[in-house]
Amino acid sequence: QSALTQPASVSGSPGQSITISCTGTSNDVGGYNYVSWYQHHPGKAPKLMIHDVSNRPSGVSNRFSGSKSGNTASLIIAGLQAEDEADYHCSSYTSSSTYVVFGGGTKLTVL
Amino acid sequence: QVQLVESGGGLVKPGGSLRLSCAASGFTFSDYTMTWIRQTPGKGLDWVSYITSSGGTIHYADSVKGRFTISRDNAKNSLYLQLNSLRAEDTAVYFCARDSTSYRFDLWGQGTLVTVSS
Repeated sequence: QSALTQPASVSGSPGQSITISCTGTSNDVGGYNYVSWYQHHPGKAPKLMIHDVSNRPSGVSNRFSGSKSGNTASLIIAGLQAEDEADYHCSSYTSSSTYVVFGGGTKLTVL
Repeated sequence: QVQLVESGGGLVKPGGSLRLSCAASGFTFSDYTMTWIRQTPGKGLDWVSYITSSGGTIHYADSVKGRFTISRDNAKNSLYLQLNSLRAEDTAVYFCARDSTSYRFDLWGQGTLVTVSS
């Protein structure tokens, strides 16, 4: 069982917006602004999409954004495109001995 | 180009050992902390271990402490993970990743599959 809770799946039609949630505790998501999001097309290398809750690395589309409220972080993808179909994983620094914890991953289907 | 390439995975019996390697290219490997992360079948990701740029600080997840050993050779731009006393629950795809500031992993490899089964 993963330390952070994500929905197993979400779906949306091209052009729509979707939100993926990532719920932790005050020891991780709620206590620190060190939430990251990764896009993973199976069989390929995961890609960093968002770091420090809401910052996009250079080269990542501005259709991807992040936010946080309390113990829950969110990844928002606007204007869905077919190539967005992938697994998305959140992570957070944790004050426990684990260093970084991840969510269970969310499979995004573009209908 | 900037990339990480893992190798060394395979099928091993419970109690066996494997050594994973990660070859880095396209960036100054010796400047970065490096990390191993694994993904068990059908589940999420789990952080396994990190090693700082000089190798001076090492940290392990409790689930692998005493069984896995991380190391690096900056002259060879390579990261390693020695897996001993393997268990069925260690079956996973193992990724190496570049550990940037603020606990984010900004470069990943494609992973190497380790299967522990009799």
